[in-house]
Amino acid sequence: QVQLQESGPGLVKPSETLSLTCTVSGGSISGYYWGWIRQPPGKGLEWIGYVYYSGSTNYNPSLKSRVTISVDTSKNQLSLKMRSVTAADTAVYYCARVKYGSGSYPLDSWGQGALVTVSS
Amino acid sequence: QSALTQPASVSGSPGQSITISCTGTSSDVGSYNYVSWYQQHPGKAPKLMIYDVGKRPSGVSDRFSGSKSGNTASLTISGLQAQDEADYYCSSYTISSTWVFGGGTKLTVL
Repeated sequence: QVQLQESGPGLVKPSETLSLTCTVSGGSISGYYWGWIRQPPGKGLEWIGYVYYSGSTNYNPSLKSRVTISVDTSKNQLSLKMRSVTAADTAVYYCARVKYGSGSYPLDSWGQGALVTVSS
Repeated sequence: QSALTQPASVSGSPGQSITISCTGTSSDVGSYNYVSWYQQHPGKAPKLMIYDVGKRPSGVSDRFSGSKSGNTASLTISGLQAQDEADYYCSSYTISSTWVFGGGTKLTVL
């Protein structure tokens, strides 16, 4: 059973860069697509982007200019960097695995989520 | 890209059936059979319930079913149970090769 765990600073200052790491255990990062999704407090889910284990990426157009998603297969980790953050980026950030073999690219395994607050 | 449209809330009594709609456009829901549904209990991560419009992952009860007509997808829960009370989100692939979520629906079991 694959497990995912997000980690990183829980507090980031406005205009700085949010950095999160997702460590995958119980399975290999290779062969799969992986996603980042966020959820502002009390609000709905927002797709941030996907990364393939080879490194190819696909981003939400509204966030594309500020976001970089990457993978490190040697560490079985994926990472999220979001630049120039504002209070509107305060959210629980989830990493998740994409189910193999579906055009929906559904997310079948999720981390527990990491709350990141943007505040000075 | 705009979020898919879901009703803010639905409710039903135990044993009843309810349906949650998810309305998109010809650029997303209407173009592909690539709609997924997620269940989220308070303080928990979402759980995949339906993918590819009507397929259930292993372990998901057959009380959950999905369908699509035109630009609107639907999630139906039959034999409603107390533990079904949660938030439900739809998601769709788009013609821009991106994905979009619905705004979410709060299901209350009366």
